[in-house]
Amino acid sequence: GESVGLHLPTLSVQEGDNSIINCAYSNSASDYFIWYKQESGKGPQFIIDIRSNMDKRQGQRVTVLLNKTVKHLSLQIAATQPGDSAVYFCAENYNYGQNFVFGPGTRLSVLP
Amino acid sequence: ETGVTQSPTHLIKTRGQQVTLRCSSQSGHNTVSWYQQALGQGPQFIFQYYREEENGRGNFPPRFSGLQFPNYSSELNVNALELDDSALYLCASSFRTGDTEAFFGQGTRLTVV
Repeated sequence: GESVGLHLPTLSVQEGDNSIINCAYSNSASDYFIWYKQESGKGPQFIIDIRSNMDKRQGQRVTVLLNKTVKHLSLQIAATQPGDSAVYFCAENYNYGQNFVFGPGTRLSVLP
Repeated sequence: ETGVTQSPTHLIKTRGQQVTLRCSSQSGHNTVSWYQQALGQGPQFIFQYYREEENGRGNFPPRFSGLQFPNYSSELNVNALELDDSALYLCASSFRTGDTEAFFGQGTRLTVV
């Protein structure tokens, strides 16, 4: 069945460094993918998305890369800041369906 | 800041009881989805409502039910509560089903004892 997972449950980076959060998915039919950020006590917040016909998409300080060959998704955060500390989820959606399938999440800790 | 509000923020119920959680979506958003997020896990899709009709359901038993109202509010009802129902319950609204940018509320933390 379909599943979305993450390689690392935790990631610690120095402030100012770049962060890379990885995600593996198993449903090759997924149409698009979303990265969410969830801070403590809050709901998930949309960061960036990418459709399956794209390999890369850039936002403000964030870049998402999609490798459909190996079914891998990554989120790159440039110049990581303390405010980036949170749990990051990748989620997939297929056939423009009703629900997103979330992975278990990666906790990003930014060290001073 | 997302325009989606949930109430209450925290709730403690006893096993076997019933609970109703509420969500107020952004104005104009016809679609609301509910998710269950167990501690340390990603959200799991419960169901979605579009224009007051259920529009898809995840792998949750019938004791999880919902309603959506014309004023962009919605409810999640859970009957016969079990200890494993303890979780953060999130609602997410979007303009239409399949929209990538769904806006989440802050969630309701339900504890079943």
